[in-house]
Amino acid sequence: DSGVTQTPKHLITATGQRVTLRCSPRSGDLSVYWYQQSLDQGLQFLIQYYNGEERAKGNILERFSAQQFPDLHSELNLSSLELGDSALYFCASSPRGPYSTDTQYFGPGTRLTVL
Amino acid sequence: GQNIDQPTEMTATEGAIVQINCTYQTSGFNGLFWYQQHAGEAPTFLSYNVLDGLEEKGRFSSFLSRSKGYSYLLLKELQMKDSASYLCAVRDSGGGADGLTFGKGTHLIIQP
Repeated sequence: DSGVTQTPKHLITATGQRVTLRCSPRSGDLSVYWYQQSLDQGLQFLIQYYNGEERAKGNILERFSAQQFPDLHSELNLSSLELGDSALYFCASSPRGPYSTDTQYFGPGTRLTVL
Repeated sequence: GQNIDQPTEMTATEGAIVQINCTYQTSGFNGLFWYQQHAGEAPTFLSYNVLDGLEEKGRFSSFLSRSKGYSYLLLKELQMKDSASYLCAVRDSGGGADGLTFGKGTHLIIQP
C-alpha cells in the first residue's frame, strides 16, 4: 500500500458524459500527478499539481481538467467522454515539487469504461 | 521530447537471473526509475538512478550509463511472483516539470 488513495475503483459511463476522479496523496506530499494507461499507449503523464497550483501539462486533452484543493487532494475531470477514453487512470504523489529527486508513489487507479 | 525503448516481452526460469534493458533519448535528464506493475494494479517503485553506476536492492539491481542513454534492471533468484511488467521511466530536467515519461514496459514471464 503506497498511501495514495483513489476513488472510485471502477467507473462505467456512457459517451458524452462527464466524470470526476478523486485522489488523496500520501500524508505530507505536496505534488500530485495524473497518468492515463491504455493498452495501446502505455502509461502517459497528463498533468502535475504542486501545493495547489498547476505545474506542468503532459498529453492531456482539452476535454480533461484537474485541480488540487487546499487539503492537497486532487480531482481529475473528464468531459464529453469518448470510447477511447476508456483506460486506467492513476494518481501519484511525491513529497516535494519540481527539481526534486523524489520518487513518485502511485495509487491503485480508477478503471474507467466508456460504453 | 523523449523516447524510451525496452523489449516487449521476456521469458525466464524460476531461480535464474534476467536483465531487462532500457534505452532512452531525452533533451534533459533528471533520473531514471524502474517500476514493477502486475496486471490491473498500480506501478510499484523498484529503483532510482541519477548517477552512473549500479544500485543494488536485495534481489534487484539497476544500472545507469548517462553517456550511452542506457539502463538495465537485473533480477536475481527469480520467483514466480516476479511475473509482471517492468516499466522504465525517465524524468526530464527542464521546465520545472517532473512528470515521468514511461516506456511501454517489458512483460516478464517466469516459467517453473
